[in-house]
Amino acid sequence: EIVLTQSPGTLSLSPGEGATLSCRASQSVTSNSLAWYQQRRGQAPRLLILGASRRATGIPDRFSGSGSGTDFNLTISRLEPEDFAVYYCHQYDTSPRTFGQGTKVEI
Amino acid sequence: QVQLQQWGAGLLKPSETLSLTCAVSGGSFSGYYWSWIRQSPGKGLEWIGEINYRGDTDYNPSFGGRVTISVDTSKNQVSLKLRTVIAADTAIYYCARTLMGFFYGLTDHWGQGTQVTVSS
Repeated sequence: EIVLTQSPGTLSLSPGEGATLSCRASQSVTSNSLAWYQQRRGQAPRLLILGASRRATGIPDRFSGSGSGTDFNLTISRLEPEDFAVYYCHQYDTSPRTFGQGTKVEI
Repeated sequence: QVQLQQWGAGLLKPSETLSLTCAVSGGSFSGYYWSWIRQSPGKGLEWIGEINYRGDTDYNPSFGGRVTISVDTSKNQVSLKLRTVIAADTAIYYCARTLMGFFYGLTDHWGQGTQVTVSS
């Protein structure tokens, strides 16, 4: 199975600052079948990015995804108070589908 | 707007069978796969498996054959059974919608989750 490793584990930032989250895959994720989710406390994950770089419907343009192959990034350009949450990468290229362990973005 | 309403027993004893059901409303049922994903402090997010309206399934081998996912197209419902549960199966279990076609395998919508605790 494809193992996804996210870094860093925790990012401590302030509103207005930018954030870059990393996701590395143990083998190439073909067709850029890589997604990012946001999970706020007590809620289900919410899809942010699909196809490595395409924003899901209704997602603000301060969120952007990049990368290919085994290295992917999620960038949040200017943190809003509601962006402080946990972010997960997810590969849907091969079965079993797998998730990274998450990066917590905290104030 | 699709809604996923899930329910089932929240407290089980070791060796019992976990049973959850998810009702889909507000959108197409046959046009998607329907997945079960769980989340625990120890293992994070873990994909359990998926099914389509025809009953075609794909399971995560890490569950060692303990999982059965079934579908009732007359009710637009999907069910999960996990046999012989142990404490490590304690988690929040999510029902989720998974795309077909070009973005096959992408989960784009999640239910509210059901906390399942396994304890003697």
